[in-house]
Amino acid sequence: DGGITQSPKYLFRKEGQNVTLSCEQNLNHDAMYWYRQDPGQGLRLIYYSQIVNDFQKGDIAEGYSVSREKKESFPLTVTSAQKNPTAFYLCASSIFDGTHSNQPQHFGDGTRLSIL
Amino acid sequence: EDKVVQSPLSLVVHEGDTVTLNCSYEVTNFRSLLWYKQEKKAPTFLFMLTSSGIEKKSGRLSSILDKKELFSILNITATQTGDSAVYLCVSSGTASKLTFGTGTRLQVTL
Repeated sequence: DGGITQSPKYLFRKEGQNVTLSCEQNLNHDAMYWYRQDPGQGLRLIYYSQIVNDFQKGDIAEGYSVSREKKESFPLTVTSAQKNPTAFYLCASSIFDGTHSNQPQHFGDGTRLSIL
Repeated sequence: EDKVVQSPLSLVVHEGDTVTLNCSYEVTNFRSLLWYKQEKKAPTFLFMLTSSGIEKKSGRLSSILDKKELFSILNITATQTGDSAVYLCVSSGTASKLTFGTGTRLQVTL
C-alpha cells in the first residue's frame, strides 16, 4: 500500500545530541514537509521540499536540518541548537503542481521526540 | 484502527454561498478534533473542539462537535474566493496520536 512511513515512533535524546528522524514515502509525491506539533497548538512547518536536492525553510527552521537526496526520502535532523526539541514531529507529502495550493497532504504517523 | 473521514472530497461553490464540511471519526480515547485550512505550504489551524454541542466561531467560520455521533461540521457562510483551500479534519486520541482526514477541497468561484 502507498503511504508515508516515519520512524521511529518514539525517540529519546540526551541534551547536546543530534538525532535524525526518518520519513519515507512511496506515493511518488514531489513535495515533502516536516511539521512540529506542541500541545494545544496547530502544526508548524519546519522545512519543506518541492523537488529532489532542493528544500526551503519553514516557519521554525532554526535548530533543524534536512536533506532531499532521493524523491522518496526526507530525513529531518534535530540538532543540539534546537533548545526545545520535545514535540511530536509529522512528515507529509503531496503532489506538487507548482503552487502548493489546494493539494492535500498525506501525513505519516509521526515521531514523538523527548529529551532525557 | 483510528479513522477520520471527511466529505465531500471536493466542492465548488459560488461566492456568497454557505458551505458545510463534514467530518466523522472513530478514534480510541478521543481527546479533541481539529480543523485546519491548507491553502499554501502549511495547514493553518482553525479550531480545536473538545466538548459536544459548543459552537466555536471565528468570523464567517464556525464548527461544532457531536461526541455522541462522532461527528463534526465546519460551516463557512458568505464564502469568498479567499476561502478556497483544502480543509483538514484531524482527531487526537491515545497519547495525542493524530489521525488526519484527507481533506475537503473547496473552490469558491466568482
